[in-house]
Amino acid sequence: IAGITQAPTSQILAAGRRMTLRCTQDMRHNAMYWYRQDLGLGLRLIHYSNTAGTTGKGEVPDGYSVSRANTDDFPLTLASAVPSQTSVYFCASSEGLAGSGANVLTFGAGSRLTVL
Amino acid sequence: GQNIDQPTEMTATEGAIVQINCTYQTSGFNGLFWYQQHAGEAPTFLSYNVLDGLEEKGRFSSFLSRSKGYSYLLLKELQMKDSASYLCAVMDSNYQLIWGAGTKLIIKP
Repeated sequence: IAGITQAPTSQILAAGRRMTLRCTQDMRHNAMYWYRQDLGLGLRLIHYSNTAGTTGKGEVPDGYSVSRANTDDFPLTLASAVPSQTSVYFCASSEGLAGSGANVLTFGAGSRLTVL
Repeated sequence: GQNIDQPTEMTATEGAIVQINCTYQTSGFNGLFWYQQHAGEAPTFLSYNVLDGLEEKGRFSSFLSRSKGYSYLLLKELQMKDSASYLCAVMDSNYQLIWGAGTKLIIKP
């Protein structure tokens, strides 16, 4: 089934540890995104990428980094995790570029991260 | 600042109709989206409005009034599987998506 695969599904992590959340899409979509979802708040964009080799910062980029080596993969790395990064992380993709209209997002199932 | 307001939670009865409202204050407007998110799952696209009026898609309809900064999602003939959170998102003048916190809809038999 075409879509987005995220791994791990959930993870408990000690503060200060490095963690990479994986995201792979098989729809050949141009743009990919990482969002975090916290209770009582709307989805917040962390980073995005419009094409392989380019990335951009979203609303809450601090403490996170991304790379886009190819069309399909868009990993999110927490270099040194802190408790405030406890959240559910969603990877998404869109056929259209970030910053264009009528851009429908397809989301992965999410990665629940707990930082202790 | 930019703001999207939705009710936190709503309850409705199976077979009934429910309207979920969304009001927004954003710097510019380039479209409004509704997504459905079942508990523990990914959000999935429901509708997109960029012009004023009603867009109907089966049991779901979405309405937009740009002058009032207002949209609603109308769900008819409610089914138990419609129990989910409904997310409103507005694309601002920079084509950035601003998301509401979502409305949790509980359907009772």
